[in-house]
Amino acid sequence: QKEVEQDPGPLSVPEGAIVSLNCTYSNSAFQYFMWYRQYSRKGPELLMYTYSSGNKEDGRFTAQVDKSSKYISLFIRDSQPSDSATYLCAMWRGAQKLVFGQGTRLTINP
Amino acid sequence: GAGVSQSPSNKVTEKGKDVELRCDPISGHTALYWYRQSLGQGLEFLIYFQGNSAPDKSGLPSDRFSAERTGGSVSTLTIQRTQQEDSAVYLCASSLAADTQYFGPGTRLTVL
Repeated sequence: QKEVEQDPGPLSVPEGAIVSLNCTYSNSAFQYFMWYRQYSRKGPELLMYTYSSGNKEDGRFTAQVDKSSKYISLFIRDSQPSDSATYLCAMWRGAQKLVFGQGTRLTINP
Repeated sequence: GAGVSQSPSNKVTEKGKDVELRCDPISGHTALYWYRQSLGQGLEFLIYFQGNSAPDKSGLPSDRFSAERTGGSVSTLTIQRTQQEDSAVYLCASSLAADTQYFGPGTRLTVL
């Protein structure tokens, strides 16, 4: 069993839809949770970073962490074609080594 | 400011040849990471350098893979006797704080 599980998709939604991306994990030692966005032929860039359970909002993006269920989510409101990318969840247990999910390929159709 | 840079951006080589991939981290970042991303896969950790400490090599898939970091800055990932399964995008990242990593654009390696 992988430490971090993420549905690779692909996921295709119409412009303006609410997108929900999710990851589950097995190691309760993970303390920090991140979402990276990776455009085609580019390196990943940090999008959201959360520490505790609960929600964190940044513009159209909301990151949600449920440590009791070992489940994290990224919500994108009013999705735009420019949001089309691969989204990778990542987790850190303070040992300087991030563990990444497989990534979900998202396409927003105009 | 300048981000993480990697060279070459693309590398095509023949099976059995050695290749060297270069990473220039963000100036002042003490930590440097190498990852491998195969088609449709997530990021596979390869190796991690932190300051002058011994590197964490736990992710290197075989002894054909090695990496060094000179002067706490530039890093080179070397793959000896390349195999077709080594074809992937090799990503480098650097960080100052323990949590936020900044990635380069990657080197796309194709082994024929």
